[in-house]
Amino acid sequence: AQSVTQPDIHITVSEGASLELRCNYSYGATPYLFWYVQSPGQGLQLLLKYFSGDTLVQGIKGFEAEFKRSQSSFNLRKPSVHWSDAAEYFCAVGPYNNNDMRFGAGTRLTVKP
Amino acid sequence: GAGVSQTPSNKVTEKGKYVELRCDPISGHTALYWYRQSLGQGPEFLIYFQGTGAADDSGLPNDRFFAVRPEGSVSTLKIQRTERGDSAVYLCASSLNPPPGDTQYFGPGTRLTVL
Repeated sequence: AQSVTQPDIHITVSEGASLELRCNYSYGATPYLFWYVQSPGQGLQLLLKYFSGDTLVQGIKGFEAEFKRSQSSFNLRKPSVHWSDAAEYFCAVGPYNNNDMRFGAGTRLTVKP
Repeated sequence: GAGVSQTPSNKVTEKGKYVELRCDPISGHTALYWYRQSLGQGPEFLIYFQGTGAADDSGLPNDRFFAVRPEGSVSTLKIQRTERGDSAVYLCASSLNPPPGDTQYFGPGTRLTVL
């Protein structure tokens, strides 16, 4: 069945350290892949997306993600985390069935001073 | 410019009551989506509108849930005979073009609590 898995429920990193959030998907065709961030009381904000072409995608706020077809992964990275990056991060595949996106359960990021 | 707005931001109701949740999409966006986000979960698709018509309502959990978009802009999600299990954050999103693949812009959500 088509699905999105984010293996890490919660990650804690120190400010200034590098970050990698994992995302694995199961999808029958070439997927559209997204990373969204959700801060408390805020709507989901798109960080970046992959449709085709270069498998390394640059996004906003210094984030990037790499599509690896052989591993069915789309991991999110940032070289140096800032305290303001603390939030919930969601990976999504879609549209699935042409209309809806399927989201992972999210990874909560805590940033230590 | 203005983003997607949703009202109310919070709604508390009693079991068995009827509720309406409103979504104002970004002006000019033809596609509108409703999602439900339960605690500790990612958003779950409910329904998609292209223009005034519900192009895909396969995510609605049962016939107590209904949504309309009569003029192709504002949409209302309606829940009849609410149950405690309906408690969640209801998210609305819009995109400029129809799917697949167009970026969806999300509103802040309506937190529904059914007592």
